[in-house]
Order: sequence, then C-alpha cells, then structure tokens
Amino acid sequence: KAGVTQTPRYLIKTRGQQVTLSCSPISGHRSVSWYQQTPGQGLQFLFEYFSETQRNKGNFPGRFSGRQFSNSRSEMNVSTLELGDSALYLCASSFQPGRSYEQYFGPGTRLTVT
Amino acid sequence: QKEVEQNSGPLSVPEGAIASLNCTYSDRGSQSFFWYRQYSGKSPELIMFIYSNGDKEDGRFTAQLNKASQYVSLLIRDSQPSDSATYLCAVGGGSNYKLTFGKGTLLTVNP
Repeated sequence: KAGVTQTPRYLIKTRGQQVTLSCSPISGHRSVSWYQQTPGQGLQFLFEYFSETQRNKGNFPGRFSGRQFSNSRSEMNVSTLELGDSALYLCASSFQPGRSYEQYFGPGTRLTVT
Repeated sequence: QKEVEQNSGPLSVPEGAIASLNCTYSDRGSQSFFWYRQYSGKSPELIMFIYSNGDKEDGRFTAQLNKASQYVSLLIRDSQPSDSATYLCAVGGGSNYKLTFGKGTLLTVNP
C-alpha cells in the first residue's frame, strides 16, 4: 500500500511570492491534516480537511489556505511568502477525523523562502 | 491555548539502559495522548498512543498517563542506538480532533 506522498519535496521561493503544496493521502483515507514544523516552534497544526470541507483550523494567518478535492487529495497555498514561512510542511492522512492513532505522515515539503 | 511541554534534551543514555521521556500538558480536557518518533530528516511516525490512566506496554515501549497530574511519559527499555531520534509528545482532546505537539526531546543512545 503506497504511503502519503507530497510534492514537491523541496522548494525555494522569494519573499512576496506564493506557493502551492500537494498531498496525496493513503488510498482509502479521506482526512488530510497539514502541519508546519520549524526548529523554533516545533510541529504546529495548520488545518484539517475531510470530505472536501475544512474541519479544523490552527492559529495561522489567512495567508495560509487549503482545499481538498473529491479524490481526497489536498493542496495548501501560502500567499505573500515571508522569511518566517521557511519550514518543513507535513501532511498526514487518516480514514476520518478523530482517528489520530492511525494517522500517517508524508515525507514533507521543505520550503525555503529567501 | 493548549500547551504541551517536553524537556528539549538532549537526553543521552547508554545502550541497554532505560530511557525516560516526559511530557506535561495544560488542557485538562485532553483525552488522547500520542508519542511519535522522528529520525533526523524524516517525518514523524506514531509509536504509542494512550487514552486511559495507567500504563500501556508495546514491546520495549511503555506509555504512562496520569491525568490528575497532567503528565504522560514514555519509557524505552533496553535502549538501542537505533532508538536515537527526536520523540514528540502530542495531545488531543474534545471534539475538534486537533493534535497539539510538544517541541520534542532529542534522545541519543550511545553504543
């Protein structure tokens, strides 16, 4: 069974640009969560999608947004990039919300903002 | 705002020893508790979860939960060099399913 896949794996952008990251969940998983990981703040929850609807949102500015498609694939978008957005962005999938005990993380997208 | 605190370490133990990792949380409504292991350059992987007070054992790993003290720990018996990683404590609660992570404890097991 294929795991969670994320594309691209590495990305370099400049301040002010926008970026879109993609996540394909494990087959059959319909819940996708996004996290930002930085050395200073650790792993922080961004948002969760289930059945194409955002079910939960973390404490991030509106520049961070996401969506989910009917095939459960998800994208997140960051507009007007800032240096502080440099981080590892992880997505995780599970069958449905609340089943964190069977949540699997993807390899992440390493975003560097210059 | 929910907070999850972990000793940042690094925690260094000799091979074969017991490694003890600790985590405290601020939200008394928290209902689910998870330990993830993250190797350098890799994504987190779930190794244990616990919902009820007491101990839960899985092989060399034991998770301990004390809701009254808002404390959860992970014991690794017979530590191996392959256990060297950052261990993340995560707490979930209520109906929103959102996990709050601690910043992690770096464990080094010396051969």
